[in-house]
Amino acid sequence: QVQLKESGPGLVQPSQTLSLTCTVSGFSLTSNSVHWVRQPPGKGLEWVGAIWSGGSTDYNSALKSRLSISRDTSKSQVFLKMNSLQTEDTAIYFCTRLGYWGQGVMVTVSS
Amino acid sequence: DVVMTQTPPSLSVAIGQSVSISCKSSQSLVYSDGKTYLHWLLQSPGRSPKRLIYQVSNLGSGVPDRFSGTGSQKDFTLKISRVEAEDLGVYYCAQTTHFPYTFGAGTKLELK
Repeated sequence: QVQLKESGPGLVQPSQTLSLTCTVSGFSLTSNSVHWVRQPPGKGLEWVGAIWSGGSTDYNSALKSRLSISRDTSKSQVFLKMNSLQTEDTAIYFCTRLGYWGQGVMVTVSS
Repeated sequence: DVVMTQTPPSLSVAIGQSVSISCKSSQSLVYSDGKTYLHWLLQSPGRSPKRLIYQVSNLGSGVPDRFSGTGSQKDFTLKISRVEAEDLGVYYCAQTTHFPYTFGAGTKLELK
């Protein structure tokens, strides 16, 4: 069945770079898009960006200058990199096919 | 960005009661292909969001038919008939017609 699982560091220092991995199973990245959505503690959902089946990407314009999404189809993995992290980037980061969601990974930006 | 306005922000309900949640968008959500990409999600406490309804009125896999979605253009409604305990949590509407995709602020459904 379709599964997505996020992994990455739980704690990142301010101004550093966040690197997250989404490992998927049950579907092909070359036939489906994968999105990143984040949720600050106790708050709502924010779409971060997506990588499409053809490999092109779209990003939230508010984050675009700091963000990169890529993939390794041979490993069924999607990567998120966000630089210049600030405390307001503290959130649960989900990878999702929109109809299917990962469990999320909590990222705290703190020194 | 398309602003999604959900009301009410919270609802207190008794088991078996029916409720409706409204979602209004700042722009029409009809895409150039004629489809409307408005969806409803439920986030149960401590869980990831789950898609309940896609493209206004289509039930997601395994979603009971107590849930229904209606609406068009900029005005949408989620109705839950005969609320059950497992329905409690935060409901979000989401649009994937325009970039960036955006979500409503959520409606928290609680037990009375």
